[in-house]
Amino acid sequence: AQSVTQLGSHVSVSEGALVLLRCNYSSSVPPYLFWYVQYPNQGLQLLLKYTSAATLVKGINGFEAEFKKSETSFHLTKPSAHMSDAAEYFCAVSVWQGNLIFGKGTKLSVKP
Amino acid sequence: EAGVTQSPTHLIKTRGQQATLRCSPISGHTSVYWYQQALGLGLQFLLWYDEGEERNRGNFPPRFSGRQFPNYSSELNVNALELEDSALYLCASSGGRASNQPQHFGDGTRLSIL
Repeated sequence: AQSVTQLGSHVSVSEGALVLLRCNYSSSVPPYLFWYVQYPNQGLQLLLKYTSAATLVKGINGFEAEFKKSETSFHLTKPSAHMSDAAEYFCAVSVWQGNLIFGKGTKLSVKP
Repeated sequence: EAGVTQSPTHLIKTRGQQATLRCSPISGHTSVYWYQQALGLGLQFLLWYDEGEERNRGNFPPRFSGRQFPNYSSELNVNALELEDSALYLCASSGGRASNQPQHFGDGTRLSIL
């Protein structure tokens, strides 16, 4: 069965610092992986996706993620945090039955 | 291009009542998914519709049901509402059944049960 684990329910960084949000997956087949962001009182916005092409995936708003099969990881990074990055971030794996399985989410706080 | 739209934005009901939530997918998308985001429980998959048929459902009781219309819009019905049904209900659409197709989400309907 496929699953996703996000390490750290809360991450706090200073403005301008590196953002690193961790995601590990479990899958018996090559996975399709996604990162979404949720701002307060809004739905989920797709940041980026891994669908077995390049292992380093670039997304919107300066975010990128690297697929590492040996580590079963798909961590999300951004070189320099902005105040506007404060939100909740979800890692998800797509299963053959069609739906997404989400991690529990990581709330990112950005300090001025 | 319009995104996924959901209505109503907020819905307040009492225990035992029935609720109907609506979703319009992105133009050209045939698959619609419903998810529940309840406090402390995270995002849980409810239902998947494609081409008018229910393709998969999550681990929810039968009082959660829905349908997809010929124009690919969808509605979610929740009968015999219980307090624990209070949650944000998110609808998503994708351009096909392939699991590498990203899902695009609406802003949700917040259902409050009094």
